[in-house]
Amino acid sequence: DAGVIQSPRHEVTEMGQEVTLRCKPISGHNSLFWYRQTMMRGLELLIYFNNNVPIDDSGMPEDRFSAKMPNASFSTLKIQPSEPRDSAVYFCASSMTSGGPSYNEQFFGPGTRLTVL
Amino acid sequence: AQSVSQHNHHVILSEAASLELGCNYSYGGTVNLFWYVQYPGQHLQLLLKYFSGDPLVKGIKGFEAEFIKSKFSFNLRKPSVQWSDTAEYFCAVTGTYKYIFGTGTRLKVLA
Repeated sequence: DAGVIQSPRHEVTEMGQEVTLRCKPISGHNSLFWYRQTMMRGLELLIYFNNNVPIDDSGMPEDRFSAKMPNASFSTLKIQPSEPRDSAVYFCASSMTSGGPSYNEQFFGPGTRLTVL
Repeated sequence: AQSVSQHNHHVILSEAASLELGCNYSYGGTVNLFWYVQYPGQHLQLLLKYFSGDPLVKGIKGFEAEFIKSKFSFNLRKPSVQWSDTAEYFCAVTGTYKYIFGTGTRLKVLA
């Protein structure tokens, strides 16, 4: 398996522009997570999908952030409009979980390094 | 509130030195514990995990961790580090789907 795939790996954009990050989870996994990593705040969970349904989006910082999972093999995280403080590394992770507790390992993608000028 | 605390933010060791990274958590109920490693420029990878059973868990690359329930701790150890262990190490706890990550410990091993 190729693992979790994210694109692009690097994104440089100007303030106010729309940014779309993409993620393909590991085939067969039913849970998908979007994280943001910064020096100041460490690793933060933004949103969690289970069976393509958003279960917990309490970590999404503002309405400028939105995430979708139209099918089991694809998810997007969109920032519109982007701001310099959104600069971070965004990781997608997937796992195989039951409907309840998550006992399984989360597999992380390589991340997208976003720079908003 | 649920939290994970990693006390050492930066650790510098010489090769062959022993390593212990501290991790304490605050979490009600049954927990599952993890250590992840992030090598420079790479994504997080699982080092080891504890679900139940033997509280001494062995992981990849010679790492191990001990779950001490009474101390709410899950410290990571390695008897002899190598230069290639230079990385950032994250402790995480979960009882449901939600992983709570610590802030990470940056380890630098000097050759």
